[in-house]
Amino acid sequence: DIQMTQSPSPLSASVGDRVTITCRASQTISNYLSWYQHQPGKAPKLLIYAASSLQSGVPSRFSGSGSGTDFTLTISSLQPEDFSTYYCQQSHTSPLTFGGGTKVEI
Amino acid sequence: EVQLLESGGGLVQPGGSLRLSCAASGFTFSSCAMSWVRQAPGKGLEWVSAISGPGGGTYYVDSVKGRFTISRDNPKNTLYLQMNILRAEDTAIYYCAKKAVGITVAGTYGMDVWGLGTTVTVSS
Repeated sequence: DIQMTQSPSPLSASVGDRVTITCRASQTISNYLSWYQHQPGKAPKLLIYAASSLQSGVPSRFSGSGSGTDFTLTISSLQPEDFSTYYCQQSHTSPLTFGGGTKVEI
Repeated sequence: EVQLLESGGGLVQPGGSLRLSCAASGFTFSSCAMSWVRQAPGKGLEWVSAISGPGGGTYYVDSVKGRFTISRDNPKNTLYLQMNILRAEDTAIYYCAKKAVGITVAGTYGMDVWGLGTTVTVSS
């Protein structure tokens, strides 16, 4: 199975900060990588797919990069509604594993 | 509006069974691979199972292989997860999710629509 390792967790930040979350795959997955935001009591939300493509309707302050085994999610200027938990997921090979999550907190 | 609505969760004793359903609307159901994802209390998201658009390809995480069966009824726009021999560690909120584009489970597109989940509690 492909293991997905996220860091850091948790991540302490303030409104207006530039935040970067990293995700590393245990083997190469090309660009088969998505990022999700999940808040308690809500459905997870797709932010980024294909490692760097912004999902429709997602604010442009979110961006993704990377290929192969190393990926990043960047929030250019953290907003109050962005305090949440973020997950990466590989969709290269079954099982489609998630990272352990990064909680972005004040 | 594109929507997914899960049902079928509840309290079950260890060793018991449940069948989850996910009713889809607002999109061409048969054109999209579908997944089940769960979140145990205090834990992160865990992908559980997925099925291709036509239903011929099914995939599972190792911990549920031989116990869970994913299926779909495309004319009824419904996804299912039959869960047998349930264990305490299966306790979680179970979400169904739609792949954004494509009938295959793998691929670069993520899961763009999720339900609100149904809660499964396995306890005596």
